[in-house]
Amino acid sequence: DAGVTQSPTHLIKTRGQQVTLRCSPKSGHDTVSWYQQALGQGPQFIFQYYEEEERQRGNFPDRFSGHQFPNYSSELNVNALLLGDSALYLCASSLGPLSSYEQYFGPGTRLTVT
Amino acid sequence: AQTVTQSQPEMSVQEAETVTLSCTYDTSESDYYLFWYKQPPSRQMILVIRQEAYKQQNATENRFSVNFQKAAKSFSLKISDSQLGDAAMYFCAYRNYGGSQGNLIFGKGTKLSVKP
Repeated sequence: DAGVTQSPTHLIKTRGQQVTLRCSPKSGHDTVSWYQQALGQGPQFIFQYYEEEERQRGNFPDRFSGHQFPNYSSELNVNALLLGDSALYLCASSLGPLSSYEQYFGPGTRLTVT
Repeated sequence: AQTVTQSQPEMSVQEAETVTLSCTYDTSESDYYLFWYKQPPSRQMILVIRQEAYKQQNATENRFSVNFQKAAKSFSLKISDSQLGDAAMYFCAYRNYGGSQGNLIFGKGTKLSVKP
């Protein structure tokens, strides 16, 4: 049973650039959530995708956008990168967007902005 | 807005001993979920234990158990017979119950070291 996978593992970008991170949900899951985990902090919710639409959003600027594909995989895009965007980006999947469903996390993508 | 506080940035335990990690939270909701997640150096967040607020009985998963005090808004994790593989960051997390309010609010974490 394939778990949540994310790519790439590590990424180094320069300020002002744009980045795309990818996530494939656990087999059978249809909902993807993205979290940002800064160094020494707990993860913070960015947004959630279900049925190819953004269903919920945390307190993140519009520079953060996403997409969900018909096969339930998802992308996180960040434009105009800032040094403060350096973090571990975690993807979590679940069967449905409701609070009763468990989220399973991927190993994350470590983004470094220089 | 809901908040989660973990007041112990670091904890240490001797192998085979018992350790308790603390967590408090703030919410005006009566129904919600609470979780403990483990994040080893591999970075993958792993669910350790889950508690539904409407259940009075404390959740238990093998060597892991919680002490859920709803009135005090406290949710501590007890690890018995600690093993070297338990060394990791532990995060307490909260989630609202019902509707689409399904996403997790995390504390800042407690780094647990296990001494052989």
